Amino acid sequence: AQSVTQLDSQVPVFEEAPVELRCNYSSSVSVYLFWYVQYPNQGLQLLLKYLSGSTLVKGINGFEAEFNKSQTSFHLRKPSVHISDTAEYFCAVSARTGNQFYFGTGTSLTVIP
Amino acid sequence: SAVISQKPSRDICQRGTSLTIQCQVDSQVTMMFWYRQQPGQSLTLIATANQGSEATYESGFVIDKFPISRPNLTFSTLTVSNMSPEDSSIYLCSVESGPGGYNEQFFGPGTRLTVL
Repeated sequence: AQSVTQLDSQVPVFEEAPVELRCNYSSSVSVYLFWYVQYPNQGLQLLLKYLSGSTLVKGINGFEAEFNKSQTSFHLRKPSVHISDTAEYFCAVSARTGNQFYFGTGTSLTVIP
Repeated sequence: SAVISQKPSRDICQRGTSLTIQCQVDSQVTMMFWYRQQPGQSLTLIATANQGSEATYESGFVIDKFPISRPNLTFSTLTVSNMSPEDSSIYLCSVESGPGGYNEQFFGPGTRLTVL
């Protein structure tokens, strides 16, 4: 089975500052990795995904993430955040040979004006 | 991609009653999933529903409490039976869709359930 750890439950950051949301995973098999965003009172939206190839993945809204196999990490970054980035962010993993997703506990990003 | 709708979007129910949540997808999909998101927590998979077979439930979830139907490739229902306040959660439907080779999941907007 796989598991995901999001180390920070809440991250406050000032507008236009950079942010990094941390995600570590555990798996005995090869995996796909995902970041989802959940805006208040809305469903989950895919931000970006790592399937294979380049370890630096770019997603929507200026976000990017880097897959680090040796550290089993998939941290999410944005160089300059906006108020509209305030949301809950979930890291998820699924085995390449399976279809079940395992989600982290989420990181609440609050952008301060 | 897949566009998913859920009904109702929210409901307030009395203890001991049951609520059926509907999930409609705009394309035919093999696998549909039901998740629960309790207040302030992450998503927990309740069950996987394949068309034409019984749903597969995760540890801690049973069919008597969360019966699921999957009558065709675009629709599923989840019933929350004999509700208690502990069932207050957001219930999300998701589907697996993609050009093949990987299993991206798309999520519905969720049903926000409050049990009094």
